[in-house]
Amino acid sequence: NAGVTQTPKFQVLKTGQSMTLQCAQDMNHNSMYWYRQDPGMGLRLIYYSASEGTTDKGEVPNGYNVSRLNKREFSLRLESAAPSQTSVYFCASRGDRGLVYFGPGTRLLVL
Amino acid sequence: AQKVTQAQTEISVVEKEDVTLDCVYETRDTTYYLFWYKQPPSGELVFLIRRNSFDEQNEISGRYSWNFQKSTSSFNFTITASQVVDSAVYFCALRSKGEPNAGGTSYGKLTFGQGTILTVHP
Repeated sequence: NAGVTQTPKFQVLKTGQSMTLQCAQDMNHNSMYWYRQDPGMGLRLIYYSASEGTTDKGEVPNGYNVSRLNKREFSLRLESAAPSQTSVYFCASRGDRGLVYFGPGTRLLVL
Repeated sequence: AQKVTQAQTEISVVEKEDVTLDCVYETRDTTYYLFWYKQPPSGELVFLIRRNSFDEQNEISGRYSWNFQKSTSSFNFTITASQVVDSAVYFCALRSKGEPNAGGTSYGKLTFGQGTILTVHP
């Protein structure tokens, strides 16, 4: 049982490049989330998925797209990266009892 | 809308001191959950505690204790006899029960405070 896994752990992009952050959970959870963490801002919700096949915008969705490929996987895509998207990205899933489990995070640097 | 405020940006203490991290929240929901997470220098988020809105009983777990006061919308976290290993960023979070979506699923967004950086000096 690996919990929530994220790849890659670290990525450097040039402005305008695209990339996809991968997230998977093996706990059979319905709800999954993507957060970004910036100094002094806490964790802000980018997108979430209440169940397979559904996605909804969170607090800061601009510049991102998501795909809930199946129950296990929830990917976050940056179509045209900008320096403002330099951040640490956390994927999370929520179990039926309400506890939220986080992945280890992806550090993204956009030059 | 819901909001979580951690007014203390940074706290610095000397080992063995007690330290309290403040958390104040806002929500219109009557059913909600409060959380504390710890983020050590390694970066991962570690779950510490969950409280539901119907349970105002304070909780103690080893050197950690939590004081939930609905009347003041606060959920404060105290570390007794702090240790260097307690140095981390601590996040308070709130999740409402949420409204069912078209499919009937209740999701409830998890809203985080800004975090408090705790540094414990030897």
